[in-house]
Amino acid sequence: DADVTQTPRNRITKTGKRIMLECSQTKGHDRMYWYRQDPGLGLRLIYYSFDVKDINKGEISDGYSVSRQAQAKFSLSLESAIPNQTALYFCATSGTGNTQYFGPGTRLTVL
Amino acid sequence: DQQVKQNSPSLSVQEGRISILNCDYTNSMFDYFLWYKKYPAEGPTFLISISSIKDKNEDGRFTVFLNKSAKHLSLHIVPSQPGDSAVYFCAASSRSSNTGKLIFGQGTTLQVKP
Repeated sequence: DADVTQTPRNRITKTGKRIMLECSQTKGHDRMYWYRQDPGLGLRLIYYSFDVKDINKGEISDGYSVSRQAQAKFSLSLESAIPNQTALYFCATSGTGNTQYFGPGTRLTVL
Repeated sequence: DQQVKQNSPSLSVQEGRISILNCDYTNSMFDYFLWYKKYPAEGPTFLISISSIKDKNEDGRFTVFLNKSAKHLSLHIVPSQPGDSAVYFCAASSRSSNTGKLIFGQGTTLQVKP
């Protein structure tokens, strides 16, 4: 079984809708991250969390919110989706080192 | 401002030859560098890393070189295989900041032709 799972894998939604992307991990890591990938821009950090009480904004947090429900679960929400949030979204985890382990990604399309 | 840059969007090499992927960074506080490989419909997977106290790290067919004075690192794949065809991302971090945050380059798509 995969160490980092993301649901859904694909989602098409409409402008203005609220959507939640979920991430679960079995690696026992404290640190979790959310990134988005856009063509030509690489991966950009949206939010990160060191534990359930520690949430931090990344470089592109506007329009997003997160919830760390447990050590193993980290959710990303788009309160009111807009077309330029169409992207690939990745969740990642890390232990005390700097190597991060990624989930398979969610392809989100906002019409 | 892009702190980590991969200036070549794509690279094509023949099977068996060497692939060289390049990455430049601007932030002198970066002291740990990683390469990730990404296949379509999958998440990035860790490939190899290097600390700033080293100038070379090797793992099988993969070698990463770091030139701190030039703020440049490169990934060498020898020999290249068709299964190496993927998008490669370099990433940088500052371990002294203790945030674990990675700054990624834009990625280079490698195609290895049989």
